[in-house]
Amino acid sequence: GAGVSQTPSNKVTEKGKYVELRCDPISGHTALYWYRQSLGQGPEFLIYFQGTGAADDSGLPNDRFFAVRPEGSVSTLKIQRTERGDSAVYLCASSPTESNTGELFFGEGSRLTVL
Amino acid sequence: AQSVAQPEDQVNVAEGNPLTVKCTYSVSGNPYLFWYVQYPNRGLQFLLKYITGDNLVKGSYGFEAEFNKSQTSFHLKKPSALVSDSALYFCAVRDEYNNDMRFGAGTRLTVKP
Repeated sequence: GAGVSQTPSNKVTEKGKYVELRCDPISGHTALYWYRQSLGQGPEFLIYFQGTGAADDSGLPNDRFFAVRPEGSVSTLKIQRTERGDSAVYLCASSPTESNTGELFFGEGSRLTVL
Repeated sequence: AQSVAQPEDQVNVAEGNPLTVKCTYSVSGNPYLFWYVQYPNRGLQFLLKYITGDNLVKGSYGFEAEFNKSQTSFHLKKPSALVSDSALYFCAVRDEYNNDMRFGAGTRLTVKP
């Protein structure tokens, strides 16, 4: 597709359940980022991939959060034992360059609501 | 670690007037600075960036931003605001050592007819 695609656009789950959020970056983009945006806040960095490997996962809040990018394209953010505080919009972004001078191209986000 | 501050939660201007949305930053080393805009229920869209060179950078939709190293600022400006400019604006920064981009809390711009 032309842009970054994220699915599902909305996910409602119950506390304690497992959730997967998918990101399909722009074709050919090597760098991929996950951010979390809570209401009234700016995007909060979670993890950054160069190719298949997580180059920086310092933003993951705890070990319930994990992300993979096995073939260097699509990425999945996985959240175990969800808590109400995990409710937020999860944003994915990609970049054609691994240089830190490049801008990011964002998807429209996956809104997660934990009841 | 790098960080940005957007001191104003909300900016209100009349259509046709100039607008400024403020941003200050903190980094180790040289800063790479970015502005993004977010419309309701949409993803963030890139407006412009400063990497090096001329301190005044021009971007999409008539926006520009001025890099001021001594004041560690990167304010977003537009000479004549449009009602359609009403949106949420985010300033972001990377430093030359880290690839993660850090965002401010955002400023809601409202342009009234």
